[in-house]
Amino acid sequence: TQLLEQSPQFLSIQEGENLTVYCNSSSVFSSLQWYRQEPGEGPVLLVTVVTGGEVKKLKRLTFQFGDARKDSSLHITAAQPGDTGLYLCAGDRGDSNYQLIWGAGTKLIIKP
Amino acid sequence: EAGVVQSPRYKIIEKKQPVAFWCNPISGHNTLYWYLQNLGQGPELLIRYENEEAVDDSQLPKDRFSAERLKGVDSTLKIQPAELGDSAVYLCASSPGQGGSYEQYFGPGTRLTVT
Repeated sequence: TQLLEQSPQFLSIQEGENLTVYCNSSSVFSSLQWYRQEPGEGPVLLVTVVTGGEVKKLKRLTFQFGDARKDSSLHITAAQPGDTGLYLCAGDRGDSNYQLIWGAGTKLIIKP
Repeated sequence: EAGVVQSPRYKIIEKKQPVAFWCNPISGHNTLYWYLQNLGQGPELLIRYENEEAVDDSQLPKDRFSAERLKGVDSTLKIQPAELGDSAVYLCASSPGQGGSYEQYFGPGTRLTVT
């Protein structure tokens, strides 16, 4: 059972366009993290959202945690080729076992 | 601060051969994870250590996979014998644990190809 559903699975757009990817669940999470993984490397943490309704910005990336803490979105403004990668969301259920529930990822390609 | 170190980066072996992967976590991180990742997919947990104790190994195929974390620092993951379906990237991650954050820091992974 996939507790975290990411959509779309794959997205290919032109440089300069905007995009939004989603991470949805029927479960409540204490916090949710977004990672980006480039080919041949491990995932790198981008942001952690903790509070329902929270919005965090990282340059051209905007992350939002749903009010009910069941879903999250990542919006990229004016995408650049350097944004290319696999975007993974991961949630913790607050059960103190330091284990994350991982989504399957959105593969993003930004074409020059 | 040095990140998570893994070796080797790449390994090609024939089926039925043994293989071992090594991980050195970030200094002071109590929690260590081994994940398996197939191409374009999210990581799948194999085993989680708190210090030297394996606290979650429910997803580890114990007939062929084994792991150890002697002295609660470095860790080794072994497969014996390897099967074709074991071809994947094996990721090691660490986090502070024990009252710290859930944020995980990953090594670059070992890409295993079984022929």
